[in-house]
Amino acid sequence: AQTVTQSQPEMSVQEAETVTLSCTYDTSESNYYLFWYKQPPSRQMILVIRQEAYKQQNATENRFSVNFQKAAKSFSLKISDSQLGDTAMYFCAFIGGNGLTFGKGTHLIIQP
Amino acid sequence: NAGVTQTPKFRILKIGQSMTLQCAQDMNHNYMYWYRQDPGMGLKLIYYSVGAGITDKGEVPNGYNVSRSTTEDFPLRLELAAPSQTSVYFCASSYSRLNTEAFFGQGTRLTVV
Repeated sequence: AQTVTQSQPEMSVQEAETVTLSCTYDTSESNYYLFWYKQPPSRQMILVIRQEAYKQQNATENRFSVNFQKAAKSFSLKISDSQLGDTAMYFCAFIGGNGLTFGKGTHLIIQP
Repeated sequence: NAGVTQTPKFRILKIGQSMTLQCAQDMNHNYMYWYRQDPGMGLKLIYYSVGAGITDKGEVPNGYNVSRSTTEDFPLRLELAAPSQTSVYFCASSYSRLNTEAFFGQGTRLTVV
């Protein structure tokens, strides 16, 4: 079975700081994708960034980037120049043979 | 473009009642999913479907049933509602299993009393 672990239930940083959210996963598959989703208080699930397992280059989307370590099965999200609007739940997700599996989430709070 | 539409947005059920959560997508996606989100527990997969006529159990299928008679619709049926089914339910869809993101509905907040 595939599992996704987010070990930080909550994090708080000051506006404009850089923050890194951790995620590890376990799978026996070789071909898969990893995602970070953001869920603001509106409950809407918003895709932040995706990483293809066969690509060694780390994905980047504006202020969001990942550190993908395939051998270590680690997939952390870095948010640079954090903004108040980044306050939300962040979920790491893995998609493989058994569908899309989510971690328990990290509640990120950006302080003014 | 409507995307993934879930109805209703809110519902209160009495113990033992039944109901169907509706989910429809207009993106011609093959894959559809139902998740429940409990506080502090992330999203857990209830059922998923890889195409019309095909469904499979996820992590927490007990107490639920699904059907997929068309590509567009993937209703979730709750039989004999129990307080443990109080949760927020999300429907999602994706074009393929791997290389595309999943699009989510707005969620249904269900309370069983």
